[in-house]
Amino acid sequence: AQSVTQLDSHVSVSEGTPVLLRCNYSSSYSPSLFWYVQHPNKGLQLLLKYTSAATLVKGINGFEAEFKKSETSFHLTKPSAHMSDAAEYFCVVTLFNDYKLSFGAGTTVTVRA
Amino acid sequence: SAVISQKPSRDICQRGTSLTIQCQVDSQVTMMFWYRQQPGQSLTLIATANQGSEATYESGFVIDKFPISRPNLTFSTLTVSNMSPEDSSIYLCSFSLGSGTGGDTQYFGPGTRLTVL
Repeated sequence: AQSVTQLDSHVSVSEGTPVLLRCNYSSSYSPSLFWYVQHPNKGLQLLLKYTSAATLVKGINGFEAEFKKSETSFHLTKPSAHMSDAAEYFCVVTLFNDYKLSFGAGTTVTVRA
Repeated sequence: SAVISQKPSRDICQRGTSLTIQCQVDSQVTMMFWYRQQPGQSLTLIATANQGSEATYESGFVIDKFPISRPNLTFSTLTVSNMSPEDSSIYLCSFSLGSGTGGDTQYFGPGTRLTVL
């Protein structure tokens, strides 16, 4: 079975500073990994996904994530936070042969002016 | 990409009643799913809505409580039956364009925020 652990339940950053959201996964086989964002009272939006191609994945709104198999990690970063980045972020894993998504507990990001 | 919508966006219901949530995609899609997000929690898969056959439920979810329909490739409904305050959650539908293998992106609707009094 696969699972993800988001290491921070809450991250607070100042506008214009880097954002780092940490995610570790557990999977017996080659995983596919996703980051989704959920703004208040909104549905989930896909930020980026990894499916065994390039290990550095670029997503929307300046976000990127690096797949590190040796560390079983898929951390999400952004060089400069914007006020609009305040939201809930979910790291998600699935197996290469399975459609079921396993969600992390989520990380709440607040951005200080 | 396809656009997905849900109705209602929110509702307040009395215990013991039922609510049917509709999910509409503006193009034909292979797979549709229903999730529950309890307050302050992550998402949990309720079931996979199969077109033309019974839904496939995850452990802890049963058809009598959460009947699901999928009459065609663009539409699905989830009913929350005999509601109690513990059913207060956000219910989200999603779809996938792929064949259901890993790596297929799921696209989510805006969710239905349900409060049961």
